[in-house]
Amino acid sequence: AQRVTQPEKLLSVFKGAPVELKCNYSYSGSPELFWYVQYSRQRLQLLLRHISRESIKGFTADLNKGETSFHLKKPFAQEEDSAMYYCAGSGPRDNYGQNFVFGPGTRLSVLP
Amino acid sequence: DTAVSQTPKYLVTQMGNDKSIKCEQNLGHDTMYWYKQDSKKFLKIMFSYNNKELIINETVPNRFSPKSPDKAHLNLHINSLELGDSAVYFCASSQGENQPQHFGDGTRLSIL
Repeated sequence: AQRVTQPEKLLSVFKGAPVELKCNYSYSGSPELFWYVQYSRQRLQLLLRHISRESIKGFTADLNKGETSFHLKKPFAQEEDSAMYYCAGSGPRDNYGQNFVFGPGTRLSVLP
Repeated sequence: DTAVSQTPKYLVTQMGNDKSIKCEQNLGHDTMYWYKQDSKKFLKIMFSYNNKELIINETVPNRFSPKSPDKAHLNLHINSLELGDSAVYFCASSQGENQPQHFGDGTRLSIL
């Protein structure tokens, strides 16, 4: 089955510190990868996707095919970055018919 | 204008009842989804549907059934509600299966 893993349930950093949210994937073929963010009691929003190679709100993510990773990084965390972050992947359908899979999420807490 | 809208926002009901959650998207997307987010913030896909095909996550009880009157709507019917159904349910849509998904605000379902 397609899988997306995020090893950290919770990540706490101080304001101004660098942050890295880890994501690893297990997919047949070449998946497309995304990061979604969910601020407190709000809807999930697309943060960025690997094919666009852009930086949104100071966040970047690079696809590393060798390590099958798509880690999310920001050099200087802000308090307003506190949220749940979900890594997601899409690709060919697996044996269960699913082609879009979300990771379990990492809660980022930026401390003042 | 809200791109993906769900109603109601909150739903409090008793065990054993039957309820529906409505979802509408005005983005012209061809694929819609239902997700369940539990108290630990795990996001689990329940259904994905386009105008040709319904993909069901096999772990979803058959008390849950999606109904799509047209391309812009995907409603979720739940029969014989159980305590474990308490969660936030998110509707989403995308233009194509592997494209970024746009989410609704969620419906918080509480079973008494």
